[in-house]
This record gives sequence, C-alpha cells and structure tokens, in this order.
Amino acid sequence: QSVLTQPPSASGTPGQRVTISCSGASSNLGSNYLYWYQQVPGTAPKVLIYRNDQRPSGVPDRFSGSKSGTSASLAISGLRSEDEANYYCAAWDNSLRWVFGGGTKLTVL
Amino acid sequence: EVQLVESGGGLVKPGGSLRLSCEASGFTLSTYNMNWVRQAPGKGLEWVSSISTGSNYIYYSDSVKGRFTISRDNAKNSLYLQMDSLRAEDTAVYYCARDEGPSGNFWGVDYWGQGTLVTVSS
Repeated sequence: QSVLTQPPSASGTPGQRVTISCSGASSNLGSNYLYWYQQVPGTAPKVLIYRNDQRPSGVPDRFSGSKSGTSASLAISGLRSEDEANYYCAAWDNSLRWVFGGGTKLTVL
Repeated sequence: EVQLVESGGGLVKPGGSLRLSCEASGFTLSTYNMNWVRQAPGKGLEWVSSISTGSNYIYYSDSVKGRFTISRDNAKNSLYLQMDSLRAEDTAVYYCARDEGPSGNFWGVDYWGQGTLVTVSS
C-alpha cells in the first residue's frame, strides 16, 4: 500500500488532454514539494515536474503540474504516443522518509 | 552533464551481502543530498535510504533498517549502499538518485542513475 494515492491506470487518444491525480496527507503533500516522474519500462525514471509545478528544461510544455493542499495533479495535453509510460508522484514526508505513489500506467489508445 | 553510474549489483544468496557504488560526475557531490531508490520486478518505486551532504542526517526505510548502510565519500565523488542479510524480497533494480534540496533538507530527486540489478536467490 503506497502512502501517496494514484489511479493505477489512465488512457487517452492522441491529441487529448489527460490528468493523473495524486493524493497524500498534511505530512507529505501538505507541507513539502511534490515531484512527478515518468518511467518508460526498462529505463530509469526521469523528472517531469519538480517543486509542485516547475518543468525542467527539455520537458515539453504539454506537461504541467499543480498542487493544492494534500492533492496534486499532472496534466498532459496534446497526448502523443511517446507519452505512454508509467507516472509516479513523490514527496518527502515529515516522518523522515520519502514516499511515492503506486504509479499510473498511461496508455495512448 | 550530470551523470550517476551505479555498479556492484549481481546474484547473491539469501543471507549474503553486496555493496553497491554510485559514481557521480558533472556536479560537486559534496553539495547534494543523495538517495537510493529500488524497484522490484514489475513493481513501483520504493525509497530505500537518504544521506545528507556531510553524512549528518541518514534515514532508512523500515524494510531495510538494521540491514543496509548508506555512506558517501565526497572526495571520491561516490555514494555507497552496503547491503547485508539480504532476502529474496530485496531483489530489485537499485537506483542512485540526487536530491535537489539544500544540505540536510530533502526535497526531491532531480537526477537518476541507470540502475543496477540485485537478485537474491539460492
């Protein structure tokens, strides 16, 4: 059972907008930064969003993140086939550990 | 270019030991907190351990506490994970990961290594 809660799957057709939710508690999302990672099977995770809503250089602006209280979401607009991957949210928890969501498998139909 | 290269993975019997290394380049290791994160086959990401810049703050997940030891040698630009009393459930790809928070404060990972596979089996 993961500390952060994500839907196990999401899907969309090319060009659509998809959102993935992440919910936590006051000890993690409620008081610390939220990060989103993309992982194509067989490869290492890659940071998509850092510090709640910041996008690293090289990440397309189709990806955006937001956080409010103990909930957060990742939005992907203009869905493309190469976006098919697993997405994880993560945050530091005040109990002195790092916590992850269970991951959301995104399928592009 | 930031690079993290793990090594030391392999096949080990239950109860055995293994030491993972992570060589950092492209940045000054001494100014970053570091983490180990693992991923069992077909499963999600699981945090293992974190260490602050000067090794003053060290944290472990409950699943590895007392069996694993994280350490670093800033002069050698290297991070380590000593794994003892290994169990089948420790089988996973182990990732070295850089935290972007200031010393002693852990924010989140901004760079990941490519991972090294540890298999615990008789």
